[in-house]
Amino acid sequence: DAKTTQPNSMESNEEEPVHLPCNHSTISGTDYIHWYRQLPSQGPEYVIHGLTSNVNNRMASLAIAEDRKSSTLILHRATLRDAAVYYCILRGLTGSARQLTFGSGTQLTVLP
Amino acid sequence: DTEVTQTPKHLVMGMTNKKSLKCEQHMGHRAMYWYKQKAKKPPELMFVYSYEKLSINESVPSRFSPECPNSSLLNLHLHALQPEDSALYLCASSHGLRQSSYNSPLHFGNGTRLTVT
Repeated sequence: DAKTTQPNSMESNEEEPVHLPCNHSTISGTDYIHWYRQLPSQGPEYVIHGLTSNVNNRMASLAIAEDRKSSTLILHRATLRDAAVYYCILRGLTGSARQLTFGSGTQLTVLP
Repeated sequence: DTEVTQTPKHLVMGMTNKKSLKCEQHMGHRAMYWYKQKAKKPPELMFVYSYEKLSINESVPSRFSPECPNSSLLNLHLHALQPEDSALYLCASSHGLRQSSYNSPLHFGNGTRLTVT
């Protein structure tokens, strides 16, 4: 199964943009890139997903490299409530790749 | 608040007890999941149900017994657990596992924090 690599931790200042990187060099053509986050004492929460083109929603933007071997989750203005573990996950078309398999994620700390 | 409700929020049980965790969703989702999360670790998939049938069992010990009585409910029956089974148990749901909907987001509950003494 394709795997992802993320930094263990990142810090950001409040009200500044945050760019969370994810490497997935073994991604296959049918793998979607999903991002979830988990706030303290809560279950994971869906953030965004995409295949090839950049994606925007009310929570964040997803920038996908042209070769799809990396992606970046962009939070446009970080707030203290954005402090969470952010997971970058690949979901494929067949077999176990269809399931949401979490890696170790990036712990984001937002400084006031 | 989430659209996936898990009860109880906390549970303490002895190793000889039998207990059940419950999960409910009313979004019309046809896939439901159990995950286990140890402290400071990512969630690990345990079971997947699709259209009320068990689709995936990730080699989970038989002391964990899932049940999906209808499309809105998912239970996890616990018996003869060990202290190392203490964890946060997360339920999730999604539209389905078929090719047209497999990529739909999962909606998670906030979990049941289980302590086995």
